[in-house]
Parts: sequence; structure tokens; C-alpha cells
Amino acid sequence: GAVVSQHPSWVICKSGTSVKIECRSLDFQATTMFWYRQFPKQSLMLMATSNEGSKATYEQGVEKDKFLINHASLTLSTLTVTSAHPEDSSFYICSAREWGVAFFGQGTRLTVV
Amino acid sequence: AQTVTQSQPEMSVQEAETVTLSCTYDTSESDYYLFWYKQPPSRQMILVIRQEAYKQQNATENRFSVNFQKAAKSFSLKISDSQLGDAAMYFCAYRGLTGGGADGLTFGKGTHLIIQP
Repeated sequence: GAVVSQHPSWVICKSGTSVKIECRSLDFQATTMFWYRQFPKQSLMLMATSNEGSKATYEQGVEKDKFLINHASLTLSTLTVTSAHPEDSSFYICSAREWGVAFFGQGTRLTVV
Repeated sequence: AQTVTQSQPEMSVQEAETVTLSCTYDTSESDYYLFWYKQPPSRQMILVIRQEAYKQQNATENRFSVNFQKAAKSFSLKISDSQLGDAAMYFCAYRGLTGGGADGLTFGKGTHLIIQP
């Protein structure tokens, strides 16, 4: 199956700093990637749709200035959490679609202290 | 907006037995995809099975099969001959097709499946 790689797997940062998470499609090209957030013992919530070469589309209630998305190539999308605060601590997961199926990265556990 | 409901927060089954996880959804679209994903403790999301709404035949993948009832908007997952490795969170997910293929997934809240040895 298609492989999506996400990096880093976990990160701890200080409050007020920014953190970048990378999502790569390793063996296929993805014009569209998706970013989800998952709180402990809860479901995945779609945050935004990342579009190669154009602006991302954010879901209602997601701050676009807080969660910056860049999709500069057909295999790479990045999510930058700016001025992170403890409430941004969560599990972030990206996905890309191949053959109509969403394949997911391993996820990034972000802890803001 | 589409919603996906999984009414069983937790299910327990004896190894080698059969278990059915339920999922209902609400949509006004006529064409869409439905999925079951598995999330083990590693938290890696793994596709279990998918169903295209236009197909009447229920999808099957080895020990996993679905009962898709389009009129009732129901999409249950049956796991036969349960194995210890099946223990995980199972999420039902919906994807519409009106967004030109750019729609993300809408997930249910998940069912925690426990396999008793």
C-alpha cells in the first residue's frame, strides 16, 4: 500500500515557540493532504485540507494563523503550530489519498510546556 | 453536515468468536465512501475495509466483512474468528464526493475492541 511518513513522532516545546510537523507521501504524489487532530481517547477531527500550490482550506473553528499549512510539493505538506500554548498539546495526524483510500502518517504527539 | 455515530464505546469478545461493531451515519448525498479504520496502541491508523455507496454488494476482506444498509444508513463491521491482534480502537469513517475528491474524512467516536484470550 501507499506509505505516508510523518515527522517528528513526538515533540516537546516551550509555550510561545513554534513547531513544524512534516508529512510526506513516500511512493506516490499527493495534490491534496489532510491534517487531523486527536485528543486522548477521542476521535480524529479534520483540521484542514492542504492543497499543493495553493492555500489550505481550514475547517470551521480552526485558526489559520495558529496552524500554518504549506504544501510546496506533490510529496510534502507541513503544519506549523505557531506561538504554541499548552492547550495545543495533542496528537496530530496527516493523511494523503491514493486509489481513493486515505493513508495515514504515524502521527505526532505534541506537548507544550 | 455529515455525522457518523458509533454507539458502542467498548466491546469485548472471546478469541476465535465473532463480533459486530455498529455504525450509522447521516448524509444527504447519494454517492459516498464508507470506511472502517483500526487504531492499535501505536496510534497508526490502518485501513480495515471500505465500501462504495453505489455498490450493493457488501465488501469483505478475509475475516472482516460489512453489512451496508444504504436506506437505513447503517454500516456495521463483522470480525470473524477474532484474534488477539484485532484488539484496537475501530473507527467508522465517511467521505462524501461532492468536494471533487478533496473531502476529508468524518469519523465516528470509535469503539474500543477487547479480545479475551
